Amino acid sequence: AQKVTQAQTEISVVEKEDVTLDCVYETRDTTYYLFWYKQPPSGELVFLIRRNSFDEQNEISGRYSWNFQKSTSSFNFTITASQVVDSAVYFCALSDGGYQKVTFGTGTKLQVIP
Amino acid sequence: GAVVSQHPSWVICKSGTSVKIECRSLDFQATTMFWYRQFPKQSLMLMATSNEGSKATYEQGVEKDKFLINHASLTLSTLTVTSAHPEDSSFYICSARGGATNEKLFFGSGTQLSVL
Repeated sequence: AQKVTQAQTEISVVEKEDVTLDCVYETRDTTYYLFWYKQPPSGELVFLIRRNSFDEQNEISGRYSWNFQKSTSSFNFTITASQVVDSAVYFCALSDGGYQKVTFGTGTKLQVIP
Repeated sequence: GAVVSQHPSWVICKSGTSVKIECRSLDFQATTMFWYRQFPKQSLMLMATSNEGSKATYEQGVEKDKFLINHASLTLSTLTVTSAHPEDSSFYICSARGGATNEKLFFGSGTQLSVL
């Protein structure tokens, strides 16, 4: 069975601080995908990143970076120099290699205070 | 731009009426579409999986007759909430899987349903 744990329910940071959102997953599949999505107050899901299980390279996209470590089954997301517009709920998700089922974590609500 | 279009974005209806939500893949053929439900401040829960041309597979606890899913073409799936009641009020999100090797998975922007 697949499971995604986002232990941080809510995080508040002051603007310009760095913040890391944790994601731990469980799966028996050897091929799988990990995702991060942003859900702003308006509700739509915004795709941030997809990473397959064979690619452990860390990725940086502007102020966003992701640290994938299979040894600890973690796929953490860091926002550098946070901004008010980063305030949202962030979901980590896991799917099998064939996208038969996508399992979402419970989400982390990030509030960036000006 | 969006590759999965979901309409309407929000809908308010009276109790007892039926509501249809559409999910379209815009630039790829979606062999499989997924429907999720999200309660306030909670995560997304998979309701059902539909493959084009076949019956949807519902998750445990989801009423098939209540939530009718049709996936008649490779670019369109619909979710109909039949005889809606206030407890059906929720945020519904679709996602579509497709591409040459099923490598694409994108989500719609969601539909907020409020049943009065």
